[in-house]
Parts: sequence; structure tokens; C-alpha cells
Amino acid sequence: DQQVKQNSPSLSVQEGRISILNCDYTNSMFDYFLWYKKYPAEGPTFLISISSIKDKNEDGRFTVFLNKSAKHLSLHIVPSQPGDSAVYFCAATVLNSGGYQKVTFGTGTKLQVIP
Amino acid sequence: NAGVTQTPKFQVLKTGQSMTLQCAQDMNHEYMSWYRQDPGMGLRLIHYSVGAGITDQGEVPNGYNVSRSTTEDFPLRLLSAAPSQTSVYFCASRRQGNEKLFFGSGTQLSVL
Repeated sequence: DQQVKQNSPSLSVQEGRISILNCDYTNSMFDYFLWYKKYPAEGPTFLISISSIKDKNEDGRFTVFLNKSAKHLSLHIVPSQPGDSAVYFCAATVLNSGGYQKVTFGTGTKLQVIP
Repeated sequence: NAGVTQTPKFQVLKTGQSMTLQCAQDMNHEYMSWYRQDPGMGLRLIHYSVGAGITDQGEVPNGYNVSRSTTEDFPLRLLSAAPSQTSVYFCASRRQGNEKLFFGSGTQLSVL
């Protein structure tokens, strides 16, 4: 049961335009959502996050939107740059019975920004 | 500032061989974990630890063992490697109460 879904395996965008990466989830108990960026042959790195009590968080060119009623979040990159070409993972956390935050990752979306 | 260090970067094993993937962090993080990344599957949790002496299973623990004798180190052991364990393995750590994970650079493992 895939609780966090990224339905688009890949996305191509022209440099300077907006990139929109989408993520859907099924568990309404998720309390924190994160985006990670991964370059080939490197580990994922944290990009931006949002608490479930908010609907928007912005950090420079990156903005994450959360729609709790639709169980949907999106990452907007404006303007897109060639260096943004990477795989982006959506992740969600929930406090489990053991008292720690369990993290569930999506399958990733490969973004290609075309110069 | 090393962060999370994984060794080796690449490894080829024959079916039935055993090996240990090493992971060390220098950030004094309580929480450490191992993930495997497979095409179309995202990152799946193998085992995790919330502190020295405390470990638990994740989503895909079969075929793997872990131990946590110190805060810094969290090795992953494959007791009898199988081709299904061919994957890229990532170690990650975070401070307790903080959701942000720090990842190592990964180990690419092939089991023939």
C-alpha cells in the first residue's frame, strides 16, 4: 500500500519556466511533509518542508503547497534552472506508537530542465 | 564537517556471501536508519535505531541485520546475499524531534 504517491515519473521544463512536482497521500495522520532532491551518485538532500497545519511554505525559488482536503502537495520551482535537474522525492511523517516519526517516501519524479 | 559517511561506495558479491555496510555520523544524531532505493520503488526503510542499543525493523527488514553499539555507528549486515538485494543503499540520520534527514552518499551493491 503506497501511502505517498508521485504519479509522474518524469517531467521536462524549459529553463526559466515554472516546474510543478506533485505528490498525493492517503494517510490523514501525516503531520509533516518534506521534499528531497537527489543528484546521480549522491544521497538525497533536504530541500523544503511544510507542517500539516500550514498550507504554504516558501524558500527562495522553492514553494511547497499543501491541500489537506485533497491530500495533495506540490513543489513549485520558479524560475527553473538547469542545476535543478534531479530526482525529487516527496516524503511524509507520522508519529507512531513507539514515539518516533515514521517517514514514508514517494517513488520520485525526475525533473529535467532544458537550457 | 563529514555528516553521514558510508563505505564502501561500490560492492559486488556472489550469492550467499556476507558483508557489512558501514555508516557513521558525526552530528550526534539519536536517530539512524538504512534505506534501499530500487527503480520505481522510491526509498524503502530497512531498519532504524532511535539510540544506542535500540533498533527496530522497517518496511523491508528480511535478510538484513543491524546493531547500534555507539551513537555514531550503525552498520548494516547482509548475512547471506541474494540477487534480490541488488540495490543502492542509503544511511540517514536525524536529530530526535526534527523531521529533516541527512543522507550518506550511498552504496551500490550488486549480488550475482
